[in-house]
Amino acid sequence: DAKTTQPPSMDCAEGRAANLPCNHSTISGNEYVYWYRQIHSQGPQYIIHGLKNNETNEMASLIITEDRKSSTLILPHATLRDTAVYYCIASGSRLTFGEGTQLTVNP
Amino acid sequence: GAVVSQHPSWVICKSGTSVKIECRSLDFQATTMFWYRQFPKQSLMLMATSNEGSKATYEQGVEKDKFLINHASLTLSTLTVTSAHPEDSSFYICSARSPRVNANTGELFFGEGSRLTVL
Repeated sequence: DAKTTQPPSMDCAEGRAANLPCNHSTISGNEYVYWYRQIHSQGPQYIIHGLKNNETNEMASLIITEDRKSSTLILPHATLRDTAVYYCIASGSRLTFGEGTQLTVNP
Repeated sequence: GAVVSQHPSWVICKSGTSVKIECRSLDFQATTMFWYRQFPKQSLMLMATSNEGSKATYEQGVEKDKFLINHASLTLSTLTVTSAHPEDSSFYICSARSPRVNANTGELFFGEGSRLTVL
């Protein structure tokens, strides 16, 4: 699995967009980019994943750069319940977690 | 979405005893399940890959005789922590990949986690 680098923490105002960056410069051609989040003392929750095209679902949007060396997860209208640790993973068949970004959504 | 359930959600045991944690995929069959461990304020660490009908594949540094994994059916994998000690106290999480999507690219669904405290 390719190594990923994320900022350890970010803050966002409630109702604003939260943009979480991730660097995965060593990603290989067949590795997907996955995003999960974990609220304290719960199992991780799947958010979105993609290979090279931008993706959008009911939770978030995923923007992957053309060279695939980085990506951004966008929560369009952050709520207090979006406060969590967000993990970006570049992986094939296994998912190994890095340290993630602690996103705090403030009222 | 797909649901993965773990039992028990928390367990307290005495040092030297063994503890079994169950992981079930409730609405799909999972040929592969994964077991993770998470210590406080740390990320999830992959312990092993559980394959239905065959031996589990353990990550480097994880003792296979200490953490016994059995994946006897397509909906159930179990993790047994044998002769547990206080340092084994942790949050154990399982996950399974839904077979409804490509085997290597679909999302993993995670259980709620099982918190083990060894006294």
